[in-house]
Amino acid sequence: DAKTTQPNSMESNEEEPVHLPCNHSTISGTDYIHWYRQLPSQGPEYVIHGLTSNVNNRMASLAIAEDRKSSTLILHRATLRDAAVYYCILRDVSGATNKLIFGTGTLLAVQP
Amino acid sequence: NAGVMQNPRHLVRRRGQEARLRCSPMKGHSHVYWYRQLPEEGLKFMVYLQKENIIDESGMPKERFSAEFPKEGPSILRIQQVVRGDSAAYFCASSQQAVETEAFFGQGTRLTVV
Repeated sequence: DAKTTQPNSMESNEEEPVHLPCNHSTISGTDYIHWYRQLPSQGPEYVIHGLTSNVNNRMASLAIAEDRKSSTLILHRATLRDAAVYYCILRDVSGATNKLIFGTGTLLAVQP
Repeated sequence: NAGVMQNPRHLVRRRGQEARLRCSPMKGHSHVYWYRQLPEEGLKFMVYLQKENIIDESGMPKERFSAEFPKEGPSILRIQQVVRGDSAAYFCASSQQAVETEAFFGQGTRLTVV
């Protein structure tokens, strides 16, 4: 499975945008980029995913570099409830297994 | 449409006992995944199952751990002769067949071995 690299932690202020980076220089053509987050004492929660084009949903936006070697999760207005560990994961379409491989993620702290 | 249901939410077992963790996937989902999260650590993949089949068990410990997903009923993660090191949160996720769709996670079962 291709590896992703994320900062260990980031801080943001409430009501401000947050840009969470992810590097995946060894990404293959069949890898989808998935983002999940885990709030304290809860199970992981799907945030967004994409392949080549930028994606938007009600939770966030995903900006994917043209060469696909990096991506950025954008929370447009951080709230205290967005404090969580955010995981950037590559998921191979062509493989026999659909498993998600979690790294260490980015711990996002949101200050009021 | 109920989410992924795991039970029990909390389970306490004495060393040497058996632990059975249950996971009911979302309606229409035929793919189930089990993960373990040790205290202060990340999520580790254990096993991936489809109905009546184990597809990938590369993350399962070789001894004492087993998983099944029968044709009827929930998926079961079974840990025999539990030891203190098995204390962790165990999460189950389910998804539809297409790999590019999202996986939905349950709230987890927190196993404590005393």
